[in-house]
Amino acid sequence: TQLLEQSPQFLSIQEGENLTVYCNSSSVFSSLQWYRQEPGEGPVLLVTVVTGGEVKKLKRLTFQFGDARKDSSLHITAAQPGDTGLYLCAGDRGGFKTIFGAGTRLFVKA
Amino acid sequence: DTGVSQDPRHKITKRGQNVTFRCDPISEHNRLYWYRQTLGQGPEFLTYFQNEAQLEKSRLLSDRFSAERPKGSFSTLEIQRTEQGDSAMYLCASSPGGFTGELFFGEGSRLTVL
Repeated sequence: TQLLEQSPQFLSIQEGENLTVYCNSSSVFSSLQWYRQEPGEGPVLLVTVVTGGEVKKLKRLTFQFGDARKDSSLHITAAQPGDTGLYLCAGDRGGFKTIFGAGTRLFVKA
Repeated sequence: DTGVSQDPRHKITKRGQNVTFRCDPISEHNRLYWYRQTLGQGPEFLTYFQNEAQLEKSRLLSDRFSAERPKGSFSTLEIQRTEQGDSAMYLCASSPGGFTGELFFGEGSRLTVL
């Protein structure tokens, strides 16, 4: 059983479209991270959210942490081919161990 | 560049052979983690060190796997008597003290067991 469920698993869209991917859990997390991973590379940290209800923006990416700190979303505005990759959410429950979801694989067509 | 480095990037071996991976973390980071990632999955936690002490090991880490961080700097992950099911990307990450959940990953070591 995956502690962090990500949806959708796969998303293929046209350049310029908007999209939202989700990360859900029944557990409360002390913090939650989003990473982006390209094929053959390690994940790269995009953002950390800590406070329930927190919203962070990184250029065209908007991250939100749920009020109860059990879920998160990532919204991309006007997607570009360079956004293509595997988006992973990850969380820690205060025990110095970070767990990961299975990821959403995004493909943006030019 | 002072990021996390892993070596080798790729390793192809025959079933039954032993393999060893090395990880050099960011120098000021005292926590070091090993994860395993298979195709279509997110990274799965294997083990982590705080300085030289190995503080937690996953059930995924069978007795064929051993990890060390002898001087609290670099770490090695050894797999003995490799099996085809060990084929995966082995990722190393480090994090600073005052843990925030943020991990800084290396580029990974991809293992293929024939």
